[in-house]
Amino acid sequence: DVKVTQSSRYLVKRTGEKVFLECVQDMDHENMFWYRQDPGLGLRLIYFSYDVKMKEKGDIPEGYSVSREKKERFSLILESASTNQTSMYLCASSLIDRDNSPLHFGNGTRLTVT
Amino acid sequence: TQLLEQSPQFLSIQEGENLTVYCNSSSVFSSLQWYRQEPGEGPVLLVTVVTGGEVKKLKRLTFQFGDARKDSSLHITAAQPGDTGLYLCAGNSGGSNYKLTFGKGTLLTVNP
Repeated sequence: DVKVTQSSRYLVKRTGEKVFLECVQDMDHENMFWYRQDPGLGLRLIYFSYDVKMKEKGDIPEGYSVSREKKERFSLILESASTNQTSMYLCASSLIDRDNSPLHFGNGTRLTVT
Repeated sequence: TQLLEQSPQFLSIQEGENLTVYCNSSSVFSSLQWYRQEPGEGPVLLVTVVTGGEVKKLKRLTFQFGDARKDSSLHITAAQPGDTGLYLCAGNSGGSNYKLTFGKGTLLTVNP
């Protein structure tokens, strides 16, 4: 069974802090994703990665960066947290570009920026 | 930007009732996935539909992909409290799961 683990369930940070959200998957998946989920807006893709050190911007990359130094780990970085980045963050992984491979999600990190 | 409209946004029903959730777009998708998200957890895949007109059944859940591959529906028969959750549809436009477009979801509550 695929397991996607997000390091924190809840985080509270102050405006301006640098924030790291960590995600690890144990099934050797090539693709990894970061989404944010907000009421009324659904899931929006921030960044994805299809290989180590490779990354592509999603729909809302502004204010975020990512790092993928190892295949199993994908980090989301908020360089200077702002209150509008308060949200639920979901990490996901999948097999490489195989037709209709499902996304396997972690249980989310609820980030509050005060 | 491709959009997927889900309806209704909220649905509260009694145990034993039937319901249908809709996922509509003006765009064609190569496939469409349905996920369910329970409180405090990430979404979990229920089914993928690929062929226009395809119908798939998962116990009391029936999924249909429109003939033109622009829309899909999820029908639940005799809903149970365990069906409570957020149902999300996600359309794949480019044959790659980088390009999944998610609907905003239908929050279903089934009351005992």
